[in-house]
Amino acid sequence: QVELVQSGADVKKPGASVKVSCKTSGYTFTTYTIVWVCQAPGHRLEWMGWVNAGNGDTKYSQKFQDRVTFTRDTSASTAYMELSSLRSEDTAVYYCAISLGGFAYGFDYWGQGTLLTVSS
Amino acid sequence: DIQMTQTPSSLSASVGDKVTINCRASQTIATYLNWYQQKAGEAPKLLIYAASTLRSGVPSRFSGSGSGTSFTLTINTLQPDDFATYHCQQSYSTPTTFGQGTKLEIQ
Repeated sequence: QVELVQSGADVKKPGASVKVSCKTSGYTFTTYTIVWVCQAPGHRLEWMGWVNAGNGDTKYSQKFQDRVTFTRDTSASTAYMELSSLRSEDTAVYYCAISLGGFAYGFDYWGQGTLLTVSS
Repeated sequence: DIQMTQTPSSLSASVGDKVTINCRASQTIATYLNWYQQKAGEAPKLLIYAASTLRSGVPSRFSGSGSGTSFTLTINTLQPDDFATYHCQQSYSTPTTFGQGTKLEIQ
C-alpha cells in the first residue's frame, strides 16, 4: 500500500535552515510528482510547490521560492524539502503528498506531517 | 491566485443530523474542486474530487455538488467519526488554493 513517512518534529532558531524528508513506499517513486503543503497554526493549508520525482523538475510558490528547495533521491524513494532563513512565521506543520490520478483530482496520499517550530 | 471561501467557519451539530458546508471560488473553476477531512493532529484525507466524485472507501453519506464558483459538501446522518475540520481545494489553476476550513463540532 502507498505510504509516505516524514521525518520527525524539529525546533530551529531564526535564521537557520531545516530539511524535511518524505520517504515513500508502495509505488514506483519516479512515477508521481510530490507536492509540499504547509499549515501554520490557525491558517489554511498552503501549497508550497512540487518536485517531479522522475526528472527532478521543480515548481515553487511565489511566497517560498526564494527560500525553499525541493530535491529527491530516487535510490531511496525519498523527497526532501529544505527551507532556509527561517523565521517565526515558518512555524507550521509541513506535509508531503501525491496524487495518483493527477493534481486536478486532489491529493490522495499524504505524509503524517512534520511540525517545525522556529523559536529563539 | 484564486481565493476560496468556506462558510460557515464552524458548525455545531448532533449525531444523526444532516449538515452542509459551502465553498465559493473567486472565479470559475468548473468542477475542479476537492474536499478533505482533517482530524486534529492528522493529515488531511481526500473525500471527494471533481466536485462530486466520492473517493473509493469514503462512506456514501458524504456527497458533493456544484460547479463554476459555488460548491457544497453534504454529510447525511452524521456519525461520531465525522466530527473534524473540512477543507475545500481548487485544482483548476496553479497555485492550488484551499479554503480556510470548517470545523464541525459536536453539539
